[in-house]
Amino acid sequence: DIQMTQSPSTLSASVGDRVTITCRASQSIDNWLAWYQQKPGKAPKLLIYKASSLESGVPSRFSGSGSGTEFTLTISGLQPDDFATYYCQQYNGYSGTFGQGTKLEIK
Amino acid sequence: QVQLVESGGGLVKPGGSLRLSCAASGFIFKDYYMSWVRQAPGKGLVWLSYISSSGSTFHYADSVKGRFTISRDNAKNSLYLQMNSLRDEDTAVYYCAREGHAFDIWGQGTMVTVSS
Repeated sequence: DIQMTQSPSTLSASVGDRVTITCRASQSIDNWLAWYQQKPGKAPKLLIYKASSLESGVPSRFSGSGSGTEFTLTISGLQPDDFATYYCQQYNGYSGTFGQGTKLEIK
Repeated sequence: QVQLVESGGGLVKPGGSLRLSCAASGFIFKDYYMSWVRQAPGKGLVWLSYISSSGSTFHYADSVKGRFTISRDNAKNSLYLQMNSLRDEDTAVYYCAREGHAFDIWGQGTMVTVSS
């Protein structure tokens, strides 16, 4: 099974900061990588699909990059609404493994 | 309005069974793969199962293989998860999700509590 490892587990930042979250796959997943944002008590929200494609309606301060086994999510110019938990996920039509999550906290 | 609505959660004893449903609306249900994902209290997201658009192909996470069964009724725009031999560790919010661009549409979730 493909394992997904995110880092860091927790990230403290301030409004206006630029932050990066990393996700590593245990084997190559090409670009079948998605990023989600989740707030307490709510369902996850898709931000990025196919590693770097921005989902409709998602602000352009969110960007994704990478391929193979190494991926990043970057948020440029943090806004108060961005403080949440972020998950990466590989999806390949056979399984949909998530990373363990990164909690983005206000510094 | 594109929407998924789960139902069927509740309190069940260890070893018991429960069937979750997910009602789809606002899109052509039969054109999409669908999945179930769960989240234990205070924990991360865990993918459980995929089913193809026709319902002919499905995959499961090892943690639920042999105990959970995914199915769908395209005529009723509905997705199901039959859960048998439930354990304490199955306690979680269960979400259904559509695979369009990745998992692009999610339901609001239904809570399953396994406890004696």
